[in-house]
Order: sequence, then C-alpha cells, then structure tokens
Amino acid sequence: AQSVSQHNHHVILSEAASLELGCNYSYGGTVNLFWYVQYPGQHLQLLLKYFSGDPLVKGIKGFEAEFIKSKFSFNLRKPSVQWSDTAEYFCAVNAGTGRRALTFGSGTRLQVQP
Amino acid sequence: NAGVTQTPKFQVLKTGQSMTLQCAQDMNHEYMSWYRQDPGMGLRLIHYSVGAGITDQGEVPNGYNVSRSTTEDFPLRLLSAAPSQTSVYFCASSYSGLAGDLNTGELFFGEGSRLTVL
Repeated sequence: AQSVSQHNHHVILSEAASLELGCNYSYGGTVNLFWYVQYPGQHLQLLLKYFSGDPLVKGIKGFEAEFIKSKFSFNLRKPSVQWSDTAEYFCAVNAGTGRRALTFGSGTRLQVQP
Repeated sequence: NAGVTQTPKFQVLKTGQSMTLQCAQDMNHEYMSWYRQDPGMGLRLIHYSVGAGITDQGEVPNGYNVSRSTTEDFPLRLLSAAPSQTSVYFCASSYSGLAGDLNTGELFFGEGSRLTVL
C-alpha cells in the first residue's frame, strides 16, 4: 500500500524567508506526485504535480518541487514566502495508472508572519 | 461555473441521528469521491464513484453510505452518527481519474462540510 509522510506539521516563517516542506512516499513503482494547498476557509487546490520527465516541476505562485526517486521524496520549495502563503499544504501520491485514488499526507500548516 | 458544491457547510448532530451531506458538480465529471479530513491525518478516502450507478468503498467506509443516481450528485449518508465521525468532509470530482484529471492532474474539491457529533 502506498503511504505519504510529511514530517513538518507546523512551520512558522517570516516574510521573505525561504521555504522547504518535506514529503516522502512509500511505493516502489511508478508514481504521480502532487502538492495541494488549502488557504484558510477555502477548498483544496492543486499547487503542482509530477507525472514524468523533468524532476523539477514548477507550479503556481512561485512554488516548485523536486522529485528525487532515489530518496522517495517530493519536497516543496519557495525562495521567498509571502504572508499570503499562509495555508495548509498537502502532499499526495497516486501509484501507477491513476486509476486509484490519491493518498494524502497529514499536511503541513505554514504560518507566515509579516 | 459553480464547480463542486457541498451542503451544508456546518452541521451539529447528536449521537444516533442521521443526515446526508450533499455534493453536486456541474462539470460533467465521471469520477467523484468523498474524503474526511482529521487533524494530523490528512485526507482519507471514504467512498468513491466512477460513474452513475457505480460506487465503491475507500479507506474508511464504515458508518457511511453513498449512492450515485446521476452524474451530477453524490450524497454521503450517515445512518447513525457517532462522535468518531466528527470531521471535515470534502467532496471531489474529476473528469478522467480518481486521482485527478489524467492530463492536468487536477482534482476539484468542494469547500468542505464541518460536522460535529455530540
């Protein structure tokens, strides 16, 4: 069975600080990887995804993530966070064909202080 | 374009009461699913549907029923609510896959329904 681990449960940063949120998954085969974001009071929305190809993927709002297959990781990064990035971030994995549902991590709550 | 609409947004129940969480989408998506979100546990799949008339169980189906009589609607029923079902519930839909659209990867979520069972 696939599983996803997000080790940072709550992160507090000041504006302009750099961000890296960890995500590790357990599945030995081909995977599709996602980061979703949930802003306060809003629904989840897709931040970025990895299906294949270039392991460095860029998403909306200046976010990027790097797929490192040897480490089973898909960490999310942003060079300089803004107060508006305050949200909860979820890593998710889907194994193989996409016919199965997503498996989500437990989420990381990011608080950016002005 | 309304997207995925969930009602109600908030509900308080007493143990043993029944209720239905409504989910409707206007994007003609075949795939619909229900997740619950609990602190420290992320989102867990309750039930899903791959088309009208077809439903199946997810990771945590006990205590919940679903049906899919139309493409648009996918209600989630709690027959006898328990405090363990206190959670935030999200409905999601996609055109071409349970995990999201096979091309764009996007899974469309509703705004959530916060349920408290006393």
